[in-house]
Amino acid sequence: QVQLQESGPGLVKPSGTLSLTCGVSGGPINGYYWSWIRQFPGKGLEWIGYIYSSGTAHYTPSLKSRVTMSVDTSKNEVSLILTSVSAADTAIYYCARDVTGPFDNWGQGTLVTVSS
Amino acid sequence: QSALTQPASVSGSPGQSITISCIGTSSDVGSYNLVAWYQQHPGKAPKMMIYEVTKRPSGVSNRFSGSKSGNTASLTISGLQAEDEADYYCASYAGSIIYVFGTGTKVTVL
Repeated sequence: QVQLQESGPGLVKPSGTLSLTCGVSGGPINGYYWSWIRQFPGKGLEWIGYIYSSGTAHYTPSLKSRVTMSVDTSKNEVSLILTSVSAADTAIYYCARDVTGPFDNWGQGTLVTVSS
Repeated sequence: QSALTQPASVSGSPGQSITISCIGTSSDVGSYNLVAWYQQHPGKAPKMMIYEVTKRPSGVSNRFSGSKSGNTASLTISGLQAEDEADYYCASYAGSIIYVFGTGTKVTVL
């Protein structure tokens, strides 16, 4: 059974860069789409984008200018970078694998707070 | 792309059936059979319960069923149980490689 584990700093300063990693175990990265999703404190969910194992990525239009996703098949990791963050980016960030999908398997999520 | 509209809360007694609606537009729910439903218990990650409108992933109880009519998708929980008390979210493909979530529904078992 595949397991996903998000990791990264829990606190980021305003105007800084959020950088998260999703470690994948129990299954390959190759051949799947990997999404990043965030959940705001009010509990609403937002799809940030996804990346295929080949490295092709698509991002939601509202974040496209600030988001970069990458994949490292040698480390079985997927990464998310979000630049110029503000308090509005405070959320729980999840990675998810798309099989029948979307978002068949989820990591436990990691809370990122943007504050000085 | 706007969020799909769900009722804030739905409640029912044990054994009853409840239905949660997910209202979209002709650009998302109405155009694609790519609607999924997720269950989220407090402090936990969402769990897929339905995909492609009506299909259940392996291991999900057959008390959960999905349907769609026009721009509205629905999740029905039959034989409501205490363990079904959770938040539920729909999600739909919206074209141009974009996915949109619903606003979420809190299900309370009375």
